Amino acid sequence: RKEVEQDPGPFNVPEGATVAFNCTYSNSASQSFFWYRQDCRKEPKLLMSVYSSGNEDGRFTAQLNRASQYISLLIRDSKLSDSATYLCVVNAAGGYNKLIFGAGTRLAVHP
Amino acid sequence: EAGVAQSPRYKIIEKRQSVAFWCNPISGHATLYWYQQILGQGPKLLIQFQNNGVVDDSQLPKDRFSAERLKGVDSTLKIQPAKLEDSAVYLCASSLNSGVLFGPGTRLTVL
Repeated sequence: RKEVEQDPGPFNVPEGATVAFNCTYSNSASQSFFWYRQDCRKEPKLLMSVYSSGNEDGRFTAQLNRASQYISLLIRDSKLSDSATYLCVVNAAGGYNKLIFGAGTRLAVHP
Repeated sequence: EAGVAQSPRYKIIEKRQSVAFWCNPISGHATLYWYQQILGQGPKLLIQFQNNGVVDDSQLPKDRFSAERLKGVDSTLKIQPAKLEDSAVYLCASSLNSGVLFGPGTRLTVL
């Protein structure tokens, strides 16, 4: 079983739609969680951290369910510029800030 | 603030040749990472340094890959000899605490 699993997509949605991505992780001792965004032929960039209480940043909402070991990202009112690959990232237990990346979920927002 | 610098940006070599990549992390960042990202996959951690010491190299193919971080600042990653399956983007990243910032990557093509 992979340490971090994501649906590869692609998710094809119209502008204005709401879309949600899920991610599961295998190590129950994992400490922290993130969503990164990666545009085509670019490096990954931090989108947001994921907190146990859930957190929101504008149109983006991230949630963590430790009991079920999954993380979600909700994007409301999708924009064309949201088209990218979204990488689920887990900080492995062990104290050395080791980040494990999922394979990513591709999102394509169309007019 | 200057970002993570990497060079070269692109490299094309033939199989069995050697290649080296260079990374200059953000000033003051103690942790430096090398990731390999194959097309369509998420980044895979090859090696992680804390200052000039290795804290994780469990997924580094040590028969052909080597990395060093002399003086705890710049780092080089070497492949010798290269194989076709080494074609990928090699991403360097650095962090101070939990936030990890990536460089633009080196795109390697092995023919």
